[in-house]
Amino acid sequence: DTEVTQTPKHLVMGMTNKKSLKCEQHMGHRAMYWYKQKAKKPPELMFVYSYEKLSINESVPSRFSPECPNSSLLNLHLHALQPEDSALYLCASSRPPGLAGGRAKNIQYFGAGTRLSVL
Amino acid sequence: DAKTTQPNSMESNEEEPVHLPCNHSTISGTDYIHWYRQLPSQGPEYVIHGLTSNVNNRMASLAIAEDRKSSTLILHRATLRDAAVYYCILSPPRGNDYKLSFGAGTTVTVRA
Repeated sequence: DTEVTQTPKHLVMGMTNKKSLKCEQHMGHRAMYWYKQKAKKPPELMFVYSYEKLSINESVPSRFSPECPNSSLLNLHLHALQPEDSALYLCASSRPPGLAGGRAKNIQYFGAGTRLSVL
Repeated sequence: DAKTTQPNSMESNEEEPVHLPCNHSTISGTDYIHWYRQLPSQGPEYVIHGLTSNVNNRMASLAIAEDRKSSTLILHRATLRDAAVYYCILSPPRGNDYKLSFGAGTTVTVRA
């Protein structure tokens, strides 16, 4: 099973709402990622979790709050978003870092994304 | 991070090969070359990766120049399903995490 499941597929929210995006994988991967992708642009990394600990935050505004409650699950909590935050949010996972050959096999598996619209 | 340069777009006819070039003149000796593709309305999908030698898998072939300053992704017989944005990415060692920095990519159109 090489599937990364993201829910919901679509989300519309107002600027005062609080919502959460969910990502799940059962491949035993211990690195999980959030990316943001605007229309016609490449994905941009937001956060990286390694062994359930936040290891990279690419200077993302605090209105985006990631959480990794266990090795299979990654959440992105949204609060007080702006219309310019409307985008496709992608989750990815990769094999545990540090294993022999792990660096060579930097294969990230992506979900289909959540398309977010902020009104 | 070392940067890559790809053409904005390429067109191909169905059943014909597609050669997608990527320039990475500032590549370091330890950078791996990765290719991902993103089909419409989907997340990116791993295609292939290599370090120095040419690589083949069921999806594509990767030809790496001897000086490693460029590489070419080869789709041997394009199908309509291969229409996607193809990203060439250098993957440097970075501790215990793997950061993929996506460039603009090449949009491949396949004509029936």
